[in-house]
Amino acid sequence: DGGITQSPKYLFRKEGQNVTLSCEQNLNHDAMYWYRQDPGQGLRLIYYSQIVNDFQKGDIAEGYSVSREKKESFPLTVTSAQKNPTAFYLCASSITGTGVYEQYFGPGTRLTVT
Amino acid sequence: GDSVTQMEGPVTLSEEAFLTINCTYTATGYPSLFWYVQYPGEGLQLLLKATKADDKGSNKGFEATYRKETTSFHLEKGSVQVSDSAVYFCALSEKSNYQLIWGAGTKLIIKP
Repeated sequence: DGGITQSPKYLFRKEGQNVTLSCEQNLNHDAMYWYRQDPGQGLRLIYYSQIVNDFQKGDIAEGYSVSREKKESFPLTVTSAQKNPTAFYLCASSITGTGVYEQYFGPGTRLTVT
Repeated sequence: GDSVTQMEGPVTLSEEAFLTINCTYTATGYPSLFWYVQYPGEGLQLLLKATKADDKGSNKGFEATYRKETTSFHLEKGSVQVSDSAVYFCALSEKSNYQLIWGAGTKLIIKP
């Protein structure tokens, strides 16, 4: 079955440590996205990528970094510079170029930093 | 710029009640419109979509009609179940921009 996988589902880290969240898709989608969701809140875009080796900052990129070395993979690193990293992180992907761009989401990773 | 406005939640209904969650949008072009659902602790799932004016999207008993004249895409269901309790997000995408513009989400609580 095609879809998006995120691992792990729960992640715990100590303050001051960098942590990388995994996102893999086998939908053959060109575009991939990372969102942050805080309790009871909506989605905020962190980074997005339209094509391999290219990515752009979203609305809240400070303290995060990404890479896009393969079409299928878009890992997110939460650095120690992110002041409040505890949140639910969602990865998504979509096609580009057709004019209708619904996004498909992974199950999310809940990160807790103490 | 483009924007999506949803009714504030939580919306609390009894089982078998009629549901409407309002969504209005502002867009410069002719966007595609989407409703997503998020169950507790999970990612978002596409519930339905409409790509042009007067289109009706439908899925799992939910419906929404793309109304260009009122710039609206209200979500409706005739008889809700406890299992429909979730957060519902309205979103749009312009043909010229593959990113989605999201509403704030509306939490729906269905009581037995």
